Amino acid sequence: GESVGLHLPTLSVQEGDNSIINCAYSNSASDYFIWYKQESGKGPQFIIDIRSNMDKRQGQRVTVLLNKTVKHLSLQIAATQPGDSAVYFCAVLGPSGNTPLVFGKGTRLSVIA
Amino acid sequence: DTAVSQTPKYLVTQMGNDKSIKCEQNLGHDTMYWYKQDSKKFLKIMFSYNNKELIINETVPNRFSPKSPDKAHLNLHINSLELGDSAVYFCASSQDQRGGYGYTFGSGTRLTVV
Repeated sequence: GESVGLHLPTLSVQEGDNSIINCAYSNSASDYFIWYKQESGKGPQFIIDIRSNMDKRQGQRVTVLLNKTVKHLSLQIAATQPGDSAVYFCAVLGPSGNTPLVFGKGTRLSVIA
Repeated sequence: DTAVSQTPKYLVTQMGNDKSIKCEQNLGHDTMYWYKQDSKKFLKIMFSYNNKELIINETVPNRFSPKSPDKAHLNLHINSLELGDSAVYFCASSQDQRGGYGYTFGSGTRLTVV
């Protein structure tokens, strides 16, 4: 099965600095990876995804890096803003059609103004 | 327009009661899910339906019974509620059973059993 870990449960950053949130996964056959943001009282919101045939993908202020060799992915947020304060989850999809998205334990990002 | 909507948003009930949570998606997705989020924010799959057919049934007490009257709706009925059922329950949907374009989540139902 798939298990997903997270290196840091909490992360505090100064406004304007860059944030990096890490995630490790266990199944080397996993082929689709998503980062979600969950604000207080809301459901997880899709931020960015990456497939296993890529090692980097950029969005607006966010970048996801995938290292399949060590089964690790990271989310980088540039110029972190107070609105970025939330819990961030990595989610991993296995190769089987009947395998659901498996979520990591989440990292709480706090932005210090 | 809300893509995945759940009702109610809050539910407070006594132990032993039976309650239902409803979910509807207007995205035209084929597959719907129920996830449970515990107090430590851990999200765990409970059930998945693809076009009204149950495809994933994780180790969940049989007091929990999902029902999908059509592919746009997935309801969750819980019998004989226990204190440990207190959590936030999220409904989600995906384009197809593979889920390779991500899941869209509702805003959650916070269930408190007293």
